[in-house]
Amino acid sequence: AQSVAQPEDQVNVAEGNPLTVKCTYSVSGNPYLFWYVQYPNRGLQFLLKYITGDNLVKGSYGFEAEFNKSQTSFHLKKPSALVSDSALYFCAVRPLGGGYNKLIFGAGTRLAVHP
Amino acid sequence: DAGVTQSPTHLIKTRGQQVTLRCSPKSGHDTVSWYQQALGQGPQFIFQYYEEEERQRGNFPDRFSGHQFPNYSSELNVNALLLGDSALYLCASSLVAGAGYTFGSGTRLTVV
Repeated sequence: AQSVAQPEDQVNVAEGNPLTVKCTYSVSGNPYLFWYVQYPNRGLQFLLKYITGDNLVKGSYGFEAEFNKSQTSFHLKKPSALVSDSALYFCAVRPLGGGYNKLIFGAGTRLAVHP
Repeated sequence: DAGVTQSPTHLIKTRGQQVTLRCSPKSGHDTVSWYQQALGQGPQFIFQYYEEEERQRGNFPDRFSGHQFPNYSSELNVNALLLGDSALYLCASSLVAGAGYTFGSGTRLTVV
């Protein structure tokens, strides 16, 4: 079955320190990969996506993600965390082929950045 | 900015009732997808509409139905509401062959 795993329910990091939010996926082929952020009582805001090309993708608000095909991972990173980065982060994949145009989401990781 | 607009933002329904949620896609987008996000979970795909037809469907019962209009806007209907239908319902618009999805702010449905 196709799935996305975010192994950490919560990640705690001090402001100014680097952060990593992990994501692995189990989808055949070469899917598109996405990260979204959700603030309380809000919808999903797009951060970045990987379709093809360079394994390091740069996105909004200083976030970047590293695609690793052999490990089927797409970890979200930021060199220096801000308190305002505290939110719920979702990794998602879009399988290719078979007429798929839907997103499969992980369960989410809550990021808490402490002053 | 003509982003994705969802209405209403919140509503409370009684078990057994029916509800209709509405979505206006981002300008230029032709495809609308609906997702259910239960508390503490990631969004789950309900179905997708393109050219006024349901193109894909997730693992949701027939109580969940939808419609897409000629102007690409969409409705999600849920019949015979259950307590377990309480969730944030998200609409996402895209181009059918595209790789970009724009999400609305969602409708928070509470079933009592």
